[in-house]
Amino acid sequence: AQSVTQLGSHVSVSEGALVLLRCNYSSSVPPYLFWYVQYPNQGLQLLLKYTSAATLVKGINGFEAEFKKSETSFHLTKPSAHMSDAAEYFCAVTKGGTGNQFYFGTGTSLTVIP
Amino acid sequence: GAVVSQHPSWVICKSGTSVKIECRSLDFQATTMFWYRQFPKQSLMLMATSNEGSKATYEQGVEKDKFLINHASLTLSTLTVTSAHPEDSSFYICSAKTGNYGYTFGSGTRLTVV
Repeated sequence: AQSVTQLGSHVSVSEGALVLLRCNYSSSVPPYLFWYVQYPNQGLQLLLKYTSAATLVKGINGFEAEFKKSETSFHLTKPSAHMSDAAEYFCAVTKGGTGNQFYFGTGTSLTVIP
Repeated sequence: GAVVSQHPSWVICKSGTSVKIECRSLDFQATTMFWYRQFPKQSLMLMATSNEGSKATYEQGVEKDKFLINHASLTLSTLTVTSAHPEDSSFYICSAKTGNYGYTFGSGTRLTVV
């Protein structure tokens, strides 16, 4: 079975500071991992995904994440927070293949302080 | 890129009535679509997996007679909330597979039952 745990339901950072959102996964098979961002009353937008290629994945808007098998982690980072980064972030896992659904984490709300 | 169009974006209905939500894949064929439900400040919970031309697979605890899913074509899946009640008020999001690792989400539907 697949699952993800997001540590910290709320994270606050100052504008220009490092953003670190934590995600740990549990999977009985090699996982495919994703980070999505959601703005209020909107759907989900893919930030980046890991699909067993390079362990350091670069996404949109300056975000990146590193797959660490030894730590079963896939933390999301951004060197310098921008006000527009304030949103809800979800980590998700799937085992890939056809017809496999996502299992989402509980989400982390990011606040950027000016 | 692959686009999933979800309508309506918001709907208000009276208790006891039914509401239909549509999810269309605009530039690709979606043999599999997923329906999620999201309560305020919570994560997305998978309700059901919709396969074109066959019955949907519902997650445990989801009433299939209340949440009717139809996936009659490769570009359209619908979710009908029958005899809606205030507790059904939620944010409903669909998604479609766009390949082995690609998933595209609709923009969501805010349902309010009064």
